[in-house]
Amino acid sequence: DGGITQSPKYLFRKEGQNVTLSCEQNLNHDAMYWYRQDPGQGLRLIYYSQIVNDFQKGDIAEGYSVSREKKESFPLTVTSAQKNPTAFYLCASSIAGETQYFGPGTRLLVL
Amino acid sequence: AQSVTQLDSHVSVSEGTPVLLRCNYSSSYSPSLFWYVQHPNKGLQLLLKYTSAATLVKGINGFEAEFKKSETSFHLTKPSAHMSDAAEYFCVVSEGYQKVTFGTGTKLQVIP
Repeated sequence: DGGITQSPKYLFRKEGQNVTLSCEQNLNHDAMYWYRQDPGQGLRLIYYSQIVNDFQKGDIAEGYSVSREKKESFPLTVTSAQKNPTAFYLCASSIAGETQYFGPGTRLLVL
Repeated sequence: AQSVTQLDSHVSVSEGTPVLLRCNYSSSYSPSLFWYVQHPNKGLQLLLKYTSAATLVKGINGFEAEFKKSETSFHLTKPSAHMSDAAEYFCVVSEGYQKVTFGTGTKLQVIP
């Protein structure tokens, strides 16, 4: 089945710790995206990547980092510099800038 | 600059009655418009999209939306609500890669 997978479903972060969220797609899409979702605020773009080895900051990139070494994978690292990381994180992919298809999400909680 | 406004944060309907979720947008260009649905703790699922073809767009699960350029609206409707429709709905406007704006969402409650 084609689709987008995110892991883990839940992730716990200790203060000062970096954590990495996984996103994999087998849709052969060139573009991939990371969003943060907070209650009542819709989705906000963290980073996006149009092609392998290239990525751009979105609206709220501070405290986050990404890599795009393979077309299928776009991991997101939440660094210790992100002071309010508790949120639901959604990964998406698309052909060029067209319709985005979303993964099931990862909920990040702070211990 | 583009923007999208979902006019109701919560909508409550009885099962079997019509659903109307309202969305207004602004855009400098001819945007693509989308509606997504999100069930609790799940990802977003595409309901339908408008890309300058027919102004009445049919989607999955009996939903449809009408693009009205003069009113800059893209309201989502369904003739008869089902309990499984209870979820949060997002209106989205897109002009390309970084120019994607999500509305703040409308939570639909369906009363048995």
